[in-house]
Amino acid sequence: GAVVSQHPSWVICKSGTSVKIECRSLDFQATTMFWYRQFPKQSLMLMATSNEGSKATYEQGVEKDKFLINHASLTLSTLTVTSAHPEDSSFYICSALGIRDSREQYFGPGTRLTVT
Amino acid sequence: EDKVVQSPLSLVVHEGDTVTLNCSYEVTNFRSLLWYKQEKKAPTFLFMLTSSGIEKKSGRLSSILDKKELFSILNITATQTGDSAIYLCAVKAYKYIFGTGTRLKVLA
Repeated sequence: GAVVSQHPSWVICKSGTSVKIECRSLDFQATTMFWYRQFPKQSLMLMATSNEGSKATYEQGVEKDKFLINHASLTLSTLTVTSAHPEDSSFYICSALGIRDSREQYFGPGTRLTVT
Repeated sequence: EDKVVQSPLSLVVHEGDTVTLNCSYEVTNFRSLLWYKQEKKAPTFLFMLTSSGIEKKSGRLSSILDKKELFSILNITATQTGDSAIYLCAVKAYKYIFGTGTRLKVLA
């Protein structure tokens, strides 16, 4: 149980375009989802905390207008990278906290974004 | 500022060796400490520790937390090549704060 999926797993886009990444909890409901980014050989950096039905809470230094997060339901959160630039190329990982078991976050498989 | 520091940053051992990975933290409103293993994709959960002095064990892996000295260790005994990965430590406070990770390589 506690499976989290991400789509797409890999995407290449051109500079200036927008990319949407979906994060779904498949077999449980998640009131809270987290979005992380990870650069090569570095640790996970929390970008924002997404709560169902409310605005996301962004970490310091993360541009809200650039990284749009929508948590429309208890099983879906989306991250849209707007006007992407090559420096946005990274590995984006989402995780979800279960309603019943909020002790632990379950990670999605990640999305590798390459902006050319 | 909250921080989680892991050491060593990288480690190369031979199969059969025992390794100890360290995680120290300075975090306000500590709730729990978690260990993850990350191979090619997203991290997979290993342990969650909330109380001092209680060892958690899963096969060849074990971990313990010292809330007085603010650190945790992850032990791996009889290492195998499949243990090669990045091991991440995270502290849950009002959010999750990840350490830098320890990159472990086990040679055959």
